[in-house]
Amino acid sequence: EVQLVESGGGVVQPGGSLRLSCEASGFSISTYSLNWVRQAPGKGLEWISYISGPSTTINYADSVKGRFTISRDNAKNSLYLQMNSLTAEDTAVYFCSRVVAGPGWWYGMDVWGQGTTVTVSS
Amino acid sequence: EIVLTQSPGTLSLSPGERATLSCRATQSVTSSYLDWYQHKPGQAPRLLIYGASTRATGIPDRFSGSGSGTDFTLTISRLEPEDFAVYYCHLYGDHLTFGGGTKVEIK
Repeated sequence: EVQLVESGGGVVQPGGSLRLSCEASGFSISTYSLNWVRQAPGKGLEWISYISGPSTTINYADSVKGRFTISRDNAKNSLYLQMNSLTAEDTAVYFCSRVVAGPGWWYGMDVWGQGTTVTVSS
Repeated sequence: EIVLTQSPGTLSLSPGERATLSCRATQSVTSSYLDWYQHKPGQAPRLLIYGASTRATGIPDRFSGSGSGTDFTLTISRLEPEDFAVYYCHLYGDHLTFGGGTKVEIK
């Protein structure tokens, strides 16, 4: 079964750090771009970071740029999100998603994890 | 930066009724980069439509997408009980962008 499973969420104090993981099974992530998307309580979906298959293209939303770092280990079939300088506004459920796309074409984010919850609170 | 605005914010309908959801971009976009997602509480979002009008694998044909330029529409021809959820349009670009969502609730 094709699946993504996030982990690493928890409660952290403002200014703290957390590292999220997203492990894939049923497929090799090496040929796919991947995203992190979050949903704050009572809010909609917010894209926060994108990484291409060979990690040659990395993008961040302005809300997390300079604080969050996306990375991947294709050998471990895993995606990561290092989150530093966390604030209450980063409290959310964090989802990873698989992208089906190539140069000049986009077929959407077809596989998503169930999410991991991050709470930033003192 | 392109902003996607979805309307209405909430749609109250009964099972069997037709749902029409709108997504408007602040400037003309490439329709092949526009998709729609369904999201239920506690679940993973689900890809419904990509390329503005192509149903994703396994999506029932009661879901259809249309539009071009700045105006896009997701239509659910006859609502089933499992269709009550929040729906997001999304645009691929250097910065991926979601609309604010439309909640389809049971009337």
